[in-house]
Amino acid sequence: GQNIDQPTEMTATEGAIVQINCTYQTSGFNGLFWYQQHAGEAPTFLSYNVLDGLEEKGRFSSFLSRSKGYSYLLLKELQMKDSASYLCAVEDSNYQLIWGAGTKLIIKP
Amino acid sequence: IAGITQAPTSQILAAGRRMTLRCTQDMRHNAMYWYRQDLGLGLRLIHYSNTAGTTGKGEVPDGYSVSRANTDDFPLTLASAVPSQTSVYFCASSERTGGSGANVLTFGAGSRLTVL
Repeated sequence: GQNIDQPTEMTATEGAIVQINCTYQTSGFNGLFWYQQHAGEAPTFLSYNVLDGLEEKGRFSSFLSRSKGYSYLLLKELQMKDSASYLCAVEDSNYQLIWGAGTKLIIKP
Repeated sequence: IAGITQAPTSQILAAGRRMTLRCTQDMRHNAMYWYRQDLGLGLRLIHYSNTAGTTGKGEVPDGYSVSRANTDDFPLTLASAVPSQTSVYFCASSERTGGSGANVLTFGAGSRLTVL
């Protein structure tokens, strides 16, 4: 079966760096996405990786290793507004998105 | 403001009742999707439409139906609601249905449905 694994919850301190991991087993691979979802709101797109390596976008970076079925989202200079759930999703060979359950990130002052 | 509008925002209904969740987008996106989100689970695809006039079943289609009469609207109907359909429902859209490039989804604000 297809599976996306990510930690349920993480806690970090304001101003620090946090890495959220995602491992996947899917039928084919056409790209990996990270979305941010604040409580009670809709998911919003953060990043997309289709080739191995690091994609940097401001304070957020996303890394992909296709051979290991592994990605991480790196958040630097954490701010209180970064408290949210972070969803990892993989597009399979049928161009359907398989979603992880999300990682709830709690930022403490 | 371009985006997706869902209605109602929240609804409580009795088991056995029929309910339609409305979804309208103004971005002229080809593809539209209905997901449900339950605590501890990832987003699960209910139904999708790659283009107006076509629909397809997702991971959890039982008890739900959709139609895509035009590009903008994609309503989701629960013919006879059951308590297990209590969930938050998200409508989403994207420009493409396959091929190269990132298929980025834009989500509506969600509809919280409680079936008693």
